[in-house]
Amino acid sequence: DAGVTQSPTHLIKTRGQQVTLRCSPKSGHDTVSWYQQALGQGPQFIFQYYEEEERQRGNFPDRFSGHQFPNYSSELNVNALLLGDSALYLCASSTLRMDTDPYEQYFGPGTRLTVT
Amino acid sequence: AQRVTQPEKLLSVFKGAPVELKCNYSYSGSPELFWYVQYSRQRLQLLLRHISRESIKGFTADLNKGETSFHLKKPFAQEEDSAMYYCALSPGGSEKLVFGKGTKLTVNP
Repeated sequence: DAGVTQSPTHLIKTRGQQVTLRCSPKSGHDTVSWYQQALGQGPQFIFQYYEEEERQRGNFPDRFSGHQFPNYSSELNVNALLLGDSALYLCASSTLRMDTDPYEQYFGPGTRLTVT
Repeated sequence: AQRVTQPEKLLSVFKGAPVELKCNYSYSGSPELFWYVQYSRQRLQLLLRHISRESIKGFTADLNKGETSFHLKKPFAQEEDSAMYYCALSPGGSEKLVFGKGTKLTVNP
């Protein structure tokens, strides 16, 4: 099991453009959370997806949207990119099954987004 | 408001010395508290959580509800402990994580 995988590794976009980041959860996991980590900061929660629905959302504008597919993989979309969106975007997977620990989140390596 | 504060951005100790990474939190309910670690060129990973009361790699952390603190301690630091450490809380009934800004620990030989 490769664990949580994310693509692409790096991305450079221009202000105003749109971007899509992808995440495949760890085998057996059904829940995906996205975090934004700006330079020198801790990760900030964007939203969480479970059963193809947005389950929780952090304090991020509507420009940030997501999707979860039937195979539990997920996408993060950001529209109308701003310079301030430059950050490392982390995906974390977990499971809400009753017999497991919902708090144990496994993180991917991240996608480094640079907006110029 | 939910907030995690790690007052030290950088912490440097010598091998064999005790180490304590400070974490204070702000939350009105009963949160779950965690320490995550990121070693060089590796992904963020869970080190320990307060509810399990485990000692992982010699590290322990005690939740002090009166002082709203969850400091991470190790009696004898090793060079391989050098890493970025993040304290995080999960509000009750939620699995999202609220992270502090992190402390970079360097253990010198």
